[in-house]
Amino acid sequence: EAQVTQNPRYLITVTGKKLTVTCSQNMNHEYMSWYRQDPGLGLRQIYYSMNVEVTDKGDVPEGYKVSRKEKRNFPLILESPSPNQTSLYFCASSLTGDREQYFGPGTRLTVT
Amino acid sequence: SQQGEEDPQALSIQEGENATMNCSYKTSINNLQWYRQNSGRGLVHLILIRSNEREKHSGRLRVTLDTSKKSSSLLITASRAADTASYFCASGYSTLTFGKGTMLLVSP
Repeated sequence: EAQVTQNPRYLITVTGKKLTVTCSQNMNHEYMSWYRQDPGLGLRQIYYSMNVEVTDKGDVPEGYKVSRKEKRNFPLILESPSPNQTSLYFCASSLTGDREQYFGPGTRLTVT
Repeated sequence: SQQGEEDPQALSIQEGENATMNCSYKTSINNLQWYRQNSGRGLVHLILIRSNEREKHSGRLRVTLDTSKKSSSLLITASRAADTASYFCASGYSTLTFGKGTMLLVSP
């Protein structure tokens, strides 16, 4: 089944404790992206990757890191999480950046 | 940067009625897409309309695109309670930018 998976689905952590949210797709897509969704602000792009070893900042990259060492994986790293990073995070993939995107189920992160 | 803006922010209708949502965008587009999101879940792609297309249909969905006005509309005909969700438009060249969405409530 074609899908995008994210782990964990739910995470509660404390300020400053490094964490990684994994994202994997099985559709051989070139393009992958991370979004955060907050009430009243809609979906905002954090980082995206057009291909392996190619990553670019989105609209809200501060406080996040990503890497794209393999085509299928695109982990999101929070080196020192802060409460303002409490949000619902989505990973997505597509053939190219302007084509239909397939979304993962989301990761709800709470930073206390 | 916010490329698409949906209107209205919220829409409440009865089952069987039609629902129309509008989207305005700011810059030139290659295509425009519509997505649906059920509460707290991942977005699901509904339809993509290219910049050289004016109208596209998919089941009960009808999308129009007016590039001169930089606007698009999504019509859901004969709405069902299961259509209750948030609807987003998205556009862009190398990356997609999403609007803030229209929350649709369809009551039985």
